[in-house]
Amino acid sequence: AQSVTQLGSHVSVSEGALVLLRCNYSSSVPPYLFWYVQYPNQGLQLLLKYTTGATLVKGINGFEAEFKKSETSFHLTKPSAHMSDAAEYFCAVRGETSGSRLTFGEGTQLTVNP
Amino acid sequence: GAGVSQTPSNKVTEKGKYVELRCDPISGHTALYWYRQSLGQGPEFLIYFQGTGAADDSGLPNDRFFAVRPEGSVSTLKIQRTERGDSAVYLCASSLMGQGNTGELFFGEGSRLTVL
Repeated sequence: AQSVTQLGSHVSVSEGALVLLRCNYSSSVPPYLFWYVQYPNQGLQLLLKYTTGATLVKGINGFEAEFKKSETSFHLTKPSAHMSDAAEYFCAVRGETSGSRLTFGEGTQLTVNP
Repeated sequence: GAGVSQTPSNKVTEKGKYVELRCDPISGHTALYWYRQSLGQGPEFLIYFQGTGAADDSGLPNDRFFAVRPEGSVSTLKIQRTERGDSAVYLCASSLMGQGNTGELFFGEGSRLTVL
């Protein structure tokens, strides 16, 4: 079974500041990890994913995340926040079994202040 | 368009009524998922189809909820005797499956259900 914990339901940063959204997971099998973004009244859009190989993964819009097995973490970062980054972000985990479900965290609402 | 399409985008109904929500996945995607997202929460898994069959329906909350995918493409989520607690956004996603595939899910924009 898998589970995801996102620390902080709301994060507020200034434009140009570092964005750090935290995600910890629990998985009984090697995990595949995902970050999705949801803009108001839109569907979920994949930002980035970790499957195997390099533990630092880069995604769209300047976001990246690092898989740290020892810490069971997959935190999302962006060096410089932009106003357009304001959205809700979801971390998700699934097992290696083909077809297994994604399990999502509760989400983190990111606010970017001018 | 080439994305996942869900209809209706909004549905308002009265308590006790029957509701159907439709999902048209990306062409060629054999896997189809239904999730439910309540206000302020992450998506919760309901059911997963591989082809025409439900491979995992363990997320359906009770027997008022049922889903079908008769031809392995379009899926319909059916809710009987709706209750106010069923109000949520129902998300559909599809995915390519197979050896080496990472199972990325592509989501539709959702059907917002409001039960009065």
